[in-house]
Amino acid sequence: GNSVTQMEGPVTLSEEAFLTINCTYTATGYPSLFWYVQYPGEGLQLLLKATKADDKGSNKGFEATYRKETTSFHLEKGSVQVSDSAVYFCALGTDTGFQKLVFGTGTRLLVSP
Amino acid sequence: SAVISQKPSRDICQRGTSLTIQCQVDSQVTMMFWYRQQPGQSLTLIATANQGSEATYESGFVIDKFPISRPNLTFSTLTVSNMSPEDSSIYLCSVELGRVGQFFGPGTRLTVL
Repeated sequence: GNSVTQMEGPVTLSEEAFLTINCTYTATGYPSLFWYVQYPGEGLQLLLKATKADDKGSNKGFEATYRKETTSFHLEKGSVQVSDSAVYFCALGTDTGFQKLVFGTGTRLLVSP
Repeated sequence: SAVISQKPSRDICQRGTSLTIQCQVDSQVTMMFWYRQQPGQSLTLIATANQGSEATYESGFVIDKFPISRPNLTFSTLTVSNMSPEDSSIYLCSVELGRVGQFFGPGTRLTVL
């Protein structure tokens, strides 16, 4: 079946450090890939997405590239801020006319000043 | 995006009782989804609700335990029936906006004593 594997957290960084959160997936067909973010005390927000191989999703300085050959969708940011502290979820959507999302376990990011 | 609200935002319930969670969207949508996020874990899809038809449940979830209504294109309810402490979770509704992505409500935090 479809599944998503994320690196375990927490990931602890200092402000302005480079961020990578690894995400790999297993899926049949050609899923869409998503990153969602959950800030403390808030709901889940769509951060970025990519719908086909080699697509790059980007938003708020975050980027992720859909790599079909390595079945990966790693999240990166060149310089993190304290305000980026949150839980990040990688997800895939099965293309069955509408998207049924399968989520990874989430990775908590803690950024210190 | 869409503005999605849920009621209640949180509740503490006694074992054996039922709770109905409401989800309201500010625009008409075809598909609505209900997810569960157990403490410290990722999101799991409970069911997909299409207006005018019965909800479609994922493996491990049944209608008797989680009845869903979808009376119109902007509203849905999820009932958690005959609750036990294992039902303590955050319950989230979401909507899909074309191919833009899925957007989530703020969630309902349920504690069962």
